[in-house]
Amino acid sequence: AQSVTQPDIHITVSEGASLELRCNYSYGATPYLFWYVQSPGQGLQLLLKYFSGDTLVQGIKGFEAEFKRSQSSFNLRKPSVHWSDAAEYFCAVGAGNQFYFGTGTSLTVIP
Amino acid sequence: ETGVTQSPTHLIKTRGQQVTLRCSSQSGHNTVSWYQQALGQGPQFIFQYYREEENGRGNFPPRFSGLQFPNYSSELNVNALELDDSALYLCASRLRGAYEQYFGPGTRLTVT
Repeated sequence: AQSVTQPDIHITVSEGASLELRCNYSYGATPYLFWYVQSPGQGLQLLLKYFSGDTLVQGIKGFEAEFKRSQSSFNLRKPSVHWSDAAEYFCAVGAGNQFYFGTGTSLTVIP
Repeated sequence: ETGVTQSPTHLIKTRGQQVTLRCSSQSGHNTVSWYQQALGQGPQFIFQYYREEENGRGNFPPRFSGLQFPNYSSELNVNALELDDSALYLCASRLRGAYEQYFGPGTRLTVT
């Protein structure tokens, strides 16, 4: 069965520090992978996606993610975090007509 | 280009009642999906509509039903509301064959 795991429920980083959010997936075929961000009380905004090709993908707001098939991972990174990045981050897998989301990682940014 | 819109923003219902939530898809998008997001959880896929027919469903009971209209807008109907139905309900639209989906702001449903 398809599933998405985000091992870190909550992460705190200092403004200007680097960030990595982890995502592992379980899916039998080549996955379609996504990262979304959700601010409090808001819908989800697409940060980036991976369908095929280059395993390092660039997204909006300075985010990037790397697909590693051998590790079934799709980790999100940002070199320098801004206070406005504080939000909930969700990794998702597209499989057929369905999408599976992880439980999210809450990011706190301290000055 | 108009994004995904949902109405109402908030809703309070009593257990046993029925509710209808509405979604207008992004311009040109012909596929609509609905998700339930409980507090502190990730979105859970309810179902998807394409050409006015349901063509994918998650693990939700039949009292969750939907409609899609010729203009691709959609409704989510929930009958016999239960306390556990309290959640943020998200609508997302995309083009058939494209995996990128775009979300609306959601409807916050509270069942008392």
